[in-house]
Amino acid sequence: QVQLQESGPGLVKPSQTLSLTCTVSGGSITSGSFYWSWIRQPAGKGLEWIGRIWTSVSTHYNPSLQSRLTISLDTSKNQFSLKLSSVTAADTAVYYCARAVPSKALDFWGYYFDSWGQGALVTVSS
Amino acid sequence: EIVLTQSPGTQSLSPGERATLSCRASQSVTSNYLAWYQQKPGQAPRLLIYGASSRATGIPDRFSGSGSGTDFILTISRLEPEDFAVYYCQQYGTSPLTFGAGTKVDIK
Repeated sequence: QVQLQESGPGLVKPSQTLSLTCTVSGGSITSGSFYWSWIRQPAGKGLEWIGRIWTSVSTHYNPSLQSRLTISLDTSKNQFSLKLSSVTAADTAVYYCARAVPSKALDFWGYYFDSWGQGALVTVSS
Repeated sequence: EIVLTQSPGTQSLSPGERATLSCRASQSVTSNYLAWYQQKPGQAPRLLIYGASSRATGIPDRFSGSGSGTDFILTISRLEPEDFAVYYCQQYGTSPLTFGAGTKVDIK
């Protein structure tokens, strides 16, 4: 059974870069059968899809975050990471990493999230 | 972007009652790629339903999903105490992926 665990600083200053890592156990991130994703949730609010990675060269980002976002894989550690630059208070949220199951749509591979980490609260404040 | 509108915002019910949650899309969801998640306070979401009507592994059969096109329903046939939570729908047929704002099912 796959397990995911987020780690990283809980406090980031405005204009700096938010960095989180997700460690995957019980399965390999190089298996090719799944995507690896990030989702966030501001306190008391709903879920926002951030993006996903599949292999080291295939990424898919939320257009609203794309200019500030990098998701990468570290296959040697079975981890994937999120970097979000130029953060503001609006980026304060619980950040979840998740395994995603791909599904072929017309001209797009969509995905839903079948396993989640417990979440990591990141606060943007000076 | 596809906007998902969930209703009602809150549904107050008693254990043993039936819950019917709605998720309406602003345009047709490709291939009915619609998922439902349950989230309890302080916990990560849990996948319940994918493909509009397929139950995820380990999900009790009191949870069922239906619908197509723009209108989708999650039904909980008989509420158990552990079912009181927030439920989100998510479409994954079109980029960007989007979630609804959630429906809270609380105890009457």
